[in-house]
Amino acid sequence: NAGVTQTPKFRILKIGQSMTLQCTQDMNHNYMYWYRQDPGMGLKLIYYSVGAGITDKGEVPNGYNVSRSTTEDFPLRLELAAPSQTSVYFCASMRRGIEQYFGPGTRLTVT
Amino acid sequence: DQQVKQNSPSLSVQEGRISILNCDYTNSMFDYFLWYKKYPAEGPTFLISISSIKDKNEDGRFTVFLNKSAKHLSLHIVPSQPGDSAVYFCAARGNYGQNFVFGPGTRLSVLP
Repeated sequence: NAGVTQTPKFRILKIGQSMTLQCTQDMNHNYMYWYRQDPGMGLKLIYYSVGAGITDKGEVPNGYNVSRSTTEDFPLRLELAAPSQTSVYFCASMRRGIEQYFGPGTRLTVT
Repeated sequence: DQQVKQNSPSLSVQEGRISILNCDYTNSMFDYFLWYKKYPAEGPTFLISISSIKDKNEDGRFTVFLNKSAKHLSLHIVPSQPGDSAVYFCAARGNYGQNFVFGPGTRLSVLP
C-alpha cells in the first residue's frame, strides 16, 4: 500500500493564480482531511470529509474548496491564491477511530 | 483562541534520560488525546493515544498521562534516543469523533 500520496511536493504560485492539490489514499478510509501548517504553528483543519459526497468546513476554510467524488481522492482547490496561503499542506485519512495517516505534504509559496 | 496548547516550543535532553513533553487543553468535551511525531519533510505519524476515561497509557518507551481535572497531559519517553529527535504534536478529538485539534508542537532534541 502506498498509503496517502500528495502531489505536487512543491509549488510556487503567483497571486491570483489557481491550483489543485491532489490527495489519494489506497486504504479504503472513509474519513479524509486537509490541514495547513504555518511556521511555528500546529496543524489547522481546512476541510474534512466523512465519505464520498460529504464534505464539511474546518477551522480555516476561506479561500479553499474541496470535493469528494470517490473514496480514494480528496482534492483541495485554491481559486485566487493569496500570500496568506503560503504554507505546508497535509492531507490525512482515517478509517474510523482516532489514528490519522498523513501524506508527506505539499509546500506552497504564493508570491 | 488555542484549545490545545504546548507551551514549550523546544526541549533538549541527554540520550538515555527521560523526555517529558507537556500539553494543556481547554475543551472538556474532547474524548481522545493523541501524540504525533513529525520528522522534517515528512507528514506526522501517530505515536500513542489515551481515552479521556483513562489516566495512563503505555506503549514500549512511550507513556502518556492524563490529568482531567487539570486539563493536562504529558508524554514520557524513557529512555530517550537520538532517533526520537523530532517535533511532537499533541492533538485532541472533538466534534462527535469527526475532527481533531492540534497543538503547535514541541521540538525535541536528544543529544548523544
